[in-house]
Amino acid sequence: NAGVTQTPKFQVLKTGQSMTLQCAQDMNHEYMSWYRQDPGMGLRLIHYSVGAGITDQGEVPNGYNVSRSTTEDFPLRLLSAAPSQTSVYFCASRTPSLNTEAFFGQGTRLTVV
Amino acid sequence: RKEVEQDPGPFNVPEGATVAFNCTYSNSASQSFFWYRQDCRKEPKLLMSVYSSGNEDGRFTAQLNRASQYISLLIRDSKLSDSATYLCVVISYNQGGKLIFGQGTELSVKP
Repeated sequence: NAGVTQTPKFQVLKTGQSMTLQCAQDMNHEYMSWYRQDPGMGLRLIHYSVGAGITDQGEVPNGYNVSRSTTEDFPLRLLSAAPSQTSVYFCASRTPSLNTEAFFGQGTRLTVV
Repeated sequence: RKEVEQDPGPFNVPEGATVAFNCTYSNSASQSFFWYRQDCRKEPKLLMSVYSSGNEDGRFTAQLNRASQYISLLIRDSKLSDSATYLCVVISYNQGGKLIFGQGTELSVKP
């Protein structure tokens, strides 16, 4: 039972570097989302997708891009890393139904120096 | 004002205590409500959904008050293993079905 798989688990970047955080789910869920979690801030939505080929911005989208070419994969791209993007990133997936559980990946701890 | 607000705590309680968390939400179109649990540095996991009539799962009771736009979580007979952060989550279908999280309430149960 893989569920939601995020890679890498840890990453250190230099300011200005770019990278892609990978997220894959094997539950055939239509909805997928990316969140960042900072101390005292809870989880804030970066981008989300309600199906392949459809993405939309969340609360804090600046500096991040996403694409959804397949149902299974929802990568998050950092275009030019900044220290303010130091955070823990979680990917989540769920079905569209009411009262449905969201499943999370184990998180990516990103430090930008 | 955040769309979903919680008292961040921390709540420090002795084993066996009863503790209650509240959460308020501002979007009257909110339709689905949940409590998630997050252990230190790990991913959130569903604790329980919250239904209009209230619902119970063992030592945990969740309540929803739509008129006042708040939900609550009651934990009875606290265990050391209940120590975690509890996240209030709301889905509003006039916002494309996005999950909106409160900032979380930290609970520490002491021997």
